[in-house]
Parts: sequence; C-alpha cells; structure tokens
Amino acid sequence: EPEVTQTPSHQVTQMGQEVILRCVPISNHLYFYWYRQILGQKVEFLVSFYNNEISEKSEIFDDQFSVERPDGSNFTLKIRSTKLEDSAMYFCASSQETGPYEQYFGPGTRLTVT
Amino acid sequence: AQSVTQLDSQVPVFEEAPVELRCNYSSSVSVYLFWYVQYPNQGLQLLLKYLSGSTLVKGINGFEAEFNKSQTSFHLRKPSVHISDTAEYFCAAKTDSWGKLQFGAGTQVVVTP
Repeated sequence: EPEVTQTPSHQVTQMGQEVILRCVPISNHLYFYWYRQILGQKVEFLVSFYNNEISEKSEIFDDQFSVERPDGSNFTLKIRSTKLEDSAMYFCASSQETGPYEQYFGPGTRLTVT
Repeated sequence: AQSVTQLDSQVPVFEEAPVELRCNYSSSVSVYLFWYVQYPNQGLQLLLKYLSGSTLVKGINGFEAEFNKSQTSFHLRKPSVHISDTAEYFCAAKTDSWGKLQFGAGTQVVVTP
C-alpha cells in the first residue's frame, strides 16, 4: 500500500540553525500539507500546497517557514532560524485531487531545538 | 470558524469492554469528519471518515462512528477493545474537500487486562 514517508525521523538542531524536513507524498497525490504537534498539545495545521503554490497557511506559518516541491516527488518544509518553541513533531500529509479527500499522514519528524 | 472538542482527555477501559470516545464539532457549514489513531511513536492513521450519506460509518479494527447533525457530534465506538487498541485517538474536521484539518485535543485510551 502506498504511504507517505518522511526523513529524518528525528532531528536535533541548535537554536538559530536552519532545518529542512523532507516528505515524499503518495505518488498520484496533488495536495500536500504540513502539520505539527507540540508535545502534549493538539495537532495544528501549518500550510497546504497545491499546483506549486501555497493554498492556505496558518498564523504559525510566518516568514521563518517556507515550503517547496523541488522535484516531482519531494515536498519540504524549511525553518530558517529555529527557535526553542519550534520543537515538535512535524507531520506531512497528502491527498488526491479526486475524492474521497482524506489526508494520508507520514510517520512524522521529531524536531528538537536546543 | 470551526472547532473540534474531544470531551475526554483519557479513557481507561478493560480489555473486551466497550468504549466510546466523544467528539463534538462546531461549524456553520457542512463538515467532513474523521477519526485518526496514533499508536506510540507512530504517525496518524485514518480509522474512519464521514463525508455524506449514511450517518453510521464503519472503519478499520472494528471501530464505528455515528454522525449526529442535530447534536453536532461524531462519537467513536468499539464494542470490545483489545490491548492493542491502546493509543491516542483524534477527531478532526474540515469544511472543504482539500482544506485543512482541524483536530481535537485527542483522547488517550488505555486498555488494561
């Protein structure tokens, strides 16, 4: 069964450093999403992406964040200058262009900012 | 604006007993509703979804949920749980086909022998 994959599974970085989280969505999916889950809190939407542009972004997704689809298979989330509060589990998800519109999630990348 | 409320943060349950996890949503427009499960150190797996049609939806692993528009609820049930059902369960909603999911805070289910 096709699945969303994410790398790395765990990333440790120092405050102020740039990180890139990588995702490979399911191959025939055209809608892509990033969510995050701070430890002990609910899963929060960050951004959605379709047709090589951002469809929607949350208040969390400020200028420190960017997304890119550099090639036909990868979808990346970049945090330019990490803060302690960026420590969280980051989930990538993808969805088909046609129904049933469910989002398939990857296993997540745990980002720890020290 | 929509919101999703899960009324129980933790539900302890004995093996082979039934379980119900409560979820309420608020939205001024039609919603699509989902239940996801997160096993320890894993990602989110879809259990079931309500898009339209029959209000009783069946999912994987013996779970089912009922959409109740008048009570704006989408409670998840399983008649007999296993130890392996120990996990966190998230209710989620969205108002358009490819829009963002709004998640509830999650309910931790702990199944004991």
